[in-house]
Amino acid sequence: KAGVTQTPRYLIKTRGQQVTLSCSPISGHRSVSWYQQTPGQGLQFLFEYFSETQRNKGNFPGRFSGRQFSNSRSEMNVSTLELGDSALYLCASSPGTQMNTEAFFGQGTRLTVV
Amino acid sequence: TQLLEQSPQFLSIQEGENLTVYCNSSSVFSSLQWYRQEPGEGPVLLVTVVTGGEVKKLKRLTFQFGDARKDSSLHITAAQPGDTGLYLCAGVPSTDSWGKLQFGAGTQVVVTP
Repeated sequence: KAGVTQTPRYLIKTRGQQVTLSCSPISGHRSVSWYQQTPGQGLQFLFEYFSETQRNKGNFPGRFSGRQFSNSRSEMNVSTLELGDSALYLCASSPGTQMNTEAFFGQGTRLTVV
Repeated sequence: TQLLEQSPQFLSIQEGENLTVYCNSSSVFSSLQWYRQEPGEGPVLLVTVVTGGEVKKLKRLTFQFGDARKDSSLHITAAQPGDTGLYLCAGVPSTDSWGKLQFGAGTQVVVTP
């Protein structure tokens, strides 16, 4: 069974630009969550999508947005990039039910904002 | 403030020694998970503990879930260099939406030969 695939692996952007990251979850998983990981803050929850609807949201500004498609694939968008947005962005796939919240992560996208 | 507090933040030990990592919270969790992450990679699920007081063993790794389901520990016996990594605990509080998995800050473990 294929794992979680995130693209691209690495990205360099300039301040003020916008970026879109992609995540393909494990087949059959309906929940996709996004996390931002930095050395100082650890893994911070961005949002979770379940069956094309945003079900949970973390405490990030509106510049961070996402969506989920009917095949469960998800994209995350960051507009008006700031230097502080440089981080490893991780996508996690899960069955997303009360009985099973186990998350399976992709390798992440390393975003550098210059 | 982290919902899940991990300690210590950093552990450096010699091969063959034992170590314990703690994960504590004031909230009750229906389950807690442990992950290990290596540099530049995503976290990998090690185990899920569900029942208060539960003990699970995975080779040299022993995981415990507190009776009150507010804390957990990970014990590694006879650590090896391959155990090096960032250990993360994670869970969804019983009062929260089950899609919002939250993580502790992690414990960086370094095992030297």
